Amino acid sequence: GQQLNQSPQSMFIQEGEDVSMNCTSSSIFNTWLWYKQEPGEGPVLLIALYKAGELTSNGRLTAQFGITRKDSFLNISASIPSDVGIYFCAGRRDNYGQNFVFGPGTRLSVLP
Amino acid sequence: EAQVTQNPRYLITVTGKKLTVTCSQNMNHEYMSWYRQDPGLGLRQIYYSMNVEVTDKGDVPEGYKVSRKEKRNFPLILESPSPNQTSLYFCASRIGTVYNSPLHFGNGTRLTVT
Repeated sequence: GQQLNQSPQSMFIQEGEDVSMNCTSSSIFNTWLWYKQEPGEGPVLLIALYKAGELTSNGRLTAQFGITRKDSFLNISASIPSDVGIYFCAGRRDNYGQNFVFGPGTRLSVLP
Repeated sequence: EAQVTQNPRYLITVTGKKLTVTCSQNMNHEYMSWYRQDPGLGLRQIYYSMNVEVTDKGDVPEGYKVSRKEKRNFPLILESPSPNQTSLYFCASRIGTVYNSPLHFGNGTRLTVT
C-alpha cells in the first residue's frame, strides 16, 4: 500500500529549541493531518491541512501543506518538556476518501 | 464529553481463544475504523465502516472481523487470535460526510496473544 516517510525517526533537543520534522510521499495527497501520541494514549489531532500551500498554526505549532502536495512539515517553536511524544503525519488522497495513511512517526525527546 | 471509548485497555489471551474488543463513539459519526500500531510501522488500517451495515477491508484485514449494527458501536473480533496479532489497537471515528473532518482516536487496547 501507500507509504509515508517521516524524518527524522527520532530527535533529542534541549528545552527552548525549535523543532522541525517532515513527512513525504511518492503520491499526491489532498489532506495532511498531524497527530501527537503520548504514552498510553491515542493519537490527538494537532493540525489539519486541506489546501496545497496552506500554512496553519496552533499555538507554538506550525504546519504547512507542501506545494507539490507530496509533503508536509511540522515546526514546534520554543520546545517544552510536555512536547515529548511521537508525532505522526497522516495523508488522504482525495477529499472524500475514507482512508488515511499514516507515517511511522517521529519520536521527540526534550532535555531540560 | 465527545469521545471514542475502547474496552478493554489491556488484554492477554492465548492462541485460538476468540475475543472481541469494543469501540463506542458518542459523536454520531458515520465513519469508524480500526488500526493496529506496531513499532516502526505506524498505524495500519484493519477495517473501516462508512455507516451502519457498511464495512470494508483496510490494509491488514486478515484474521479480523468487524460488525456495524448500530451507528455508535464498531467491535473488532478476532475469531482465532495468533501471536502475530499482538499489537496496540486503536479505534477512530469521524464525520463521514464532511471532507474536512479529521479522525478522533480512542485510547487504545494493548493485546498480547501467547
